[in-house]
Amino acid sequence: DAKTTQPNSMESNEEEPVHLPCNHSTISGTDYIHWYRQLPSQGPEYVIHGLTSNVNNRMASLAIAEDRKSSTLILHRATLRDAAVYYCILRVAYSGAGSYQLTFGKGTKLSVIP
Amino acid sequence: AAGVIQSPRHLIKEKRETATLKCYPIPRHDTVYWYQQGPGQDPQFLISFYEKMQSDKGSIPDRFSAQQFSDYHSELNMSSLELGDSALYFCASSLGRSNQPQHFGDGTRLSIL
Repeated sequence: DAKTTQPNSMESNEEEPVHLPCNHSTISGTDYIHWYRQLPSQGPEYVIHGLTSNVNNRMASLAIAEDRKSSTLILHRATLRDAAVYYCILRVAYSGAGSYQLTFGKGTKLSVIP
Repeated sequence: AAGVIQSPRHLIKEKRETATLKCYPIPRHDTVYWYQQGPGQDPQFLISFYEKMQSDKGSIPDRFSAQQFSDYHSELNMSSLELGDSALYFCASSLGRSNQPQHFGDGTRLSIL
């Protein structure tokens, strides 16, 4: 799997937007970009994923650069509950059915300041 | 909505003992994954099953084995436990496609004395 690079840590004030960057310069044309987060003492939680176009869901937005070599996870209004480690993970888009494990790198620890 | 259920939540064992961790996936999910997360570490993939057959193996020690049963629940069996096996063990389930999200359980915290 191609590698991703994320900042070790970021801080945000509560109720402000947060932009979490991820570089993946060796991404292949068929790699999905997935984001997961892990709150303290909990299992990882799926946030969002995309391939080429920007994506929105109830949790966040994913902005993908035109060349796909970077992406940004956007939390529109950070809350204290958003304090977690955020992981940007690439997954090969095979068309067949089967298992596709996640390779967790060093994510970004987001701290939210009240 | 039903989530992934893992049991037990906590387990304390001594060196050289055995342990069995259980995972009950979300109904209709055909794929189960096991991950290990050591203290201060990121989760590491151990092994996965698709439709009750072993699919992929990661950094799983030979002392560990796993299987998925006819009802799709999975068990991770660990023998000759070592101090270094102390970790959080997460199970995740999904539909078996590369764009499908994985849903994680709350984990089993294994402590080796």
